[in-house]
Amino acid sequence: GESVGLHLPTLSVQEGDNSIINCAYSNSASDYFIWYKQESGKGPQFIIDIRSNMDKRQGQRVTVLLNKTVKHLSLQIAATQPGDSAVYFCAEKEKNAGNMLTFGGGTRLMVKP
Amino acid sequence: KAGVTQTPRYLIKTRGQQVTLSCSPISGHRSVSWYQQTPGQGLQFLFEYFSETQRNKGNFPGRFSGRQFSNSRSEMNVSTLELGDSALYLCASSLFQGFFETQYFGPGTRLLVL
Repeated sequence: GESVGLHLPTLSVQEGDNSIINCAYSNSASDYFIWYKQESGKGPQFIIDIRSNMDKRQGQRVTVLLNKTVKHLSLQIAATQPGDSAVYFCAEKEKNAGNMLTFGGGTRLMVKP
Repeated sequence: KAGVTQTPRYLIKTRGQQVTLSCSPISGHRSVSWYQQTPGQGLQFLFEYFSETQRNKGNFPGRFSGRQFSNSRSEMNVSTLELGDSALYLCASSLFQGFFETQYFGPGTRLLVL
């Protein structure tokens, strides 16, 4: 598959453990945040999103936390499975910028069986 | 419902040539955005089309252009190709242009410029 970053930070976890992937953003005008998962040879896949008026949102096995004070976003994956191995990107959208997404550099998650 | 489709999936061109990539959005989606993904620069926004009009443009040279048809299908064109244009070109579609609209990505077209 393609390389999505020569120097991607990598998180290695044991199957069944919880994973936490972090993302820092710098644009104070960003109002909407999204996490995407990209597997080798595929396009980014939507995981979960959060609006700036929230600080936590939960999905199936995933939770996103937003701390606007320090401009930090995190993705928590419960009971990580081998199928969760991928590169994870956070993306932000600024009001009045249409559908333009600004992506973070990505984190590679490796799940050890 | 079928996802976003992009054609071709792989393409090899030489410097100076031009290339046209195609994107078919999810049925009913009217907004199409294009992104370039490279190992060095990551995912970068190229442009967005909604109802056949370009609504936003990223910081790319004029060699990169696009258009959207009445059926929401979109094409992007890169003229006078450079080695640095080698990348994965991703298309994403959403239902409208609403702020909280989820964007769904296609598998991408991998372009190699020799």
